[in-house]
Amino acid sequence: EDQVTQSPEALRLQEGESSSLNCSYTVSGLRGLFWYRQDPGKGPEFLFTLYSAGEEKEKERLKATLTKKESFLHITAPKPEDSATYLCAATSGTYKYIFGTGTRLKVLA
Amino acid sequence: GAGVSQSPRYKVAKRGQDVALRCDPISGHVSLFWYQQALGQGPEFLTYFQNEAQLDKSGLPSDRFFAERPEGSVSTLKIQRTQQEDSAVYLCASSAGGRGNQPQHFGDGTRLSIL
Repeated sequence: EDQVTQSPEALRLQEGESSSLNCSYTVSGLRGLFWYRQDPGKGPEFLFTLYSAGEEKEKERLKATLTKKESFLHITAPKPEDSATYLCAATSGTYKYIFGTGTRLKVLA
Repeated sequence: GAGVSQSPRYKVAKRGQDVALRCDPISGHVSLFWYQQALGQGPEFLTYFQNEAQLDKSGLPSDRFFAERPEGSVSTLKIQRTQQEDSAVYLCASSAGGRGNQPQHFGDGTRLSIL
């Protein structure tokens, strides 16, 4: 069965304290691995798409990487405004996007 | 519009009432999805449209749930005879392609509360 697992469930960081979020996936024939940011009361906001192992994408303080079994979202020198829930999703078919339960990140000033 | 628009943002209904939730996707997007999101959980798939065709409705919890996209743009999710367990956030997303390799773009959801 296709599955996406995210860890940790919650993470508290001091401002400037770098860390990584994990997304483990078991899907057959990965089509894409997607990262989203979700703020309270809002819909998920698209961040990155990764397609193949070894691929990396960067945007400001965020960098996403992909292996054959997992993806990492690295946050470098986070700021309080990076506080949000980060979701990952994987697709194995044409339209089934399987989401993890998310990592709730809190960055303290 | 520039993004996916959902209305209403909040809906309170009494148990047994029917409700209709609207989604206006990004113009030209072929694929449209409905998800249900419980507090602290990721979005759970409900149904998928490619243009006006509903290709998968396997995630709809019961036959009280019905979705349509008659002209391949705006979609409506209807819930009949609502129950308390239907309380959740309902998210709509659209994407440009239909091959699972395009990112989805989400609306801000409708928060449904059943009293």
